[in-house]
Amino acid sequence: AQKVTQAQTEISVVEKEDVTLDCVYETRDTTYYLFWYKQPPSGELVFLIRRNSFDEQNEISGRYSWNFQKSTSSFNFTITASQVVDSAVYFCALSEAGSDGNEKLTFGTGTRLTIIP
Amino acid sequence: AAGVIQSPRHLIKEKRETATLKCYPIPRHDTVYWYQQGPGQDPQFLISFYEKMQSDKGSIPDRFSAQQFSDYHSELNMSSLELGDSALYFCASSLGGSLAKNIQYFGAGTRLSVL
Repeated sequence: AQKVTQAQTEISVVEKEDVTLDCVYETRDTTYYLFWYKQPPSGELVFLIRRNSFDEQNEISGRYSWNFQKSTSSFNFTITASQVVDSAVYFCALSEAGSDGNEKLTFGTGTRLTIIP
Repeated sequence: AAGVIQSPRHLIKEKRETATLKCYPIPRHDTVYWYQQGPGQDPQFLISFYEKMQSDKGSIPDRFSAQQFSDYHSELNMSSLELGDSALYFCASSLGGSLAKNIQYFGAGTRLSVL
């Protein structure tokens, strides 16, 4: 069975510091997708990134970057120069193929990030 | 751009009552997923539909049922509500049909409180 582990339950950093959120996953599938979603205090789930299992290139989007390492089954997320608006719960998720190929998401337990002004 | 619309945003019910949650996917999306997020928990997959047919089923209680209609909107029907059903219910939509790199976009959720 697929499993996503986010060992960091809560993290607090001072504004402008860099912070890395860890994600470790388990799957027997050879083809899978990894995701990060952000859940701000307002409650909605905001898609941040998707990465497939065949693409281990790191990705950078503004202050956000992601490091995918298949060898360690990790998909870590780094925010540089953190801002108060980054305060949220961040979920890492793994997609598995549903019975007809449609994907359901298995989420980690989330990391609550608090940026201190 | 149009997003996933869920209604109502908030719902208060009493035990043993019924509730219906609605989800309108992003235009042209044919796959809908329902997730339940308890307080302080991660979202748990309930059920999904692709082209109006049930696609996959997770940990959905027998008291719950769902369907996807011809216009691709979906409804989650919950009967004999229990206190433990109090949660945030998310709907997500995607372009389905294959393991084809689909991104699930989530609605803002319906917060159900059972008293």
